[in-house]
Amino acid sequence: DAEITQSPRHKITETGRQVTLACHQTWNHNNMFWYRQDLGHGLRLIHYSYGVQDTNKGEVSDGYSVSRSNTEDLPLTLESAASSQTSVYFCASSDRTGPDTQYFGPGTRLTVL
Amino acid sequence: DAKTTQPTSMDCAEGRAANLPCNHSTISGNEYVYWYRQIHSQGPQYIIHGLKNNETNEMASLIITEDRKSSTLILPHATLRDTAVYYCIVRVANGGFKTIFGAGTRLFVKA
Repeated sequence: DAEITQSPRHKITETGRQVTLACHQTWNHNNMFWYRQDLGHGLRLIHYSYGVQDTNKGEVSDGYSVSRSNTEDLPLTLESAASSQTSVYFCASSDRTGPDTQYFGPGTRLTVL
Repeated sequence: DAKTTQPTSMDCAEGRAANLPCNHSTISGNEYVYWYRQIHSQGPQYIIHGLKNNETNEMASLIITEDRKSSTLILPHATLRDTAVYYCIVRVANGGFKTIFGAGTRLFVKA
């Protein structure tokens, strides 16, 4: 069955380190998204991509970057991790056609010490 | 995308129908109503969506008022596993693509 996976599921890192969170989907969806979720803020969009080589900033993109070199993957990079980036990160994908519903991964819990 | 208003929390007895309301008075003609839910610590899960007709699937029913300014998600026989945060989202389909989530309604299903 098609799915969307995230790795690692849990990560502890130190302030200032570069961190990359992986997202991989096997639906062949054009659209992929990264969200973060914190208590009191709900889900906030970080970056999104409508296809290979396309990336766009969401509402909380500062300190994050993404690249889309193929359809299946959208890695999220924290250039220099900060304690404010401690959060749960969710990746999602959707098809360009049809009902355009989003399918979410299981999440990555990131702690920056 | 149109804004939505949902109650912060609701309770429901197990086995009874859970009716979750959503107001979207500024909805545009080409915007759909989507419902997602998020069970604790998991990624959000798509439930159902509709434009103007009522919709039903294996998970729920969606009732949209004739003026489309509000809708209700109905879980016909709520179980303890339906305890979750439910998000009502209004947006175009096959257009803007990105989905902005609000605070949602926290549904507690009690035994």
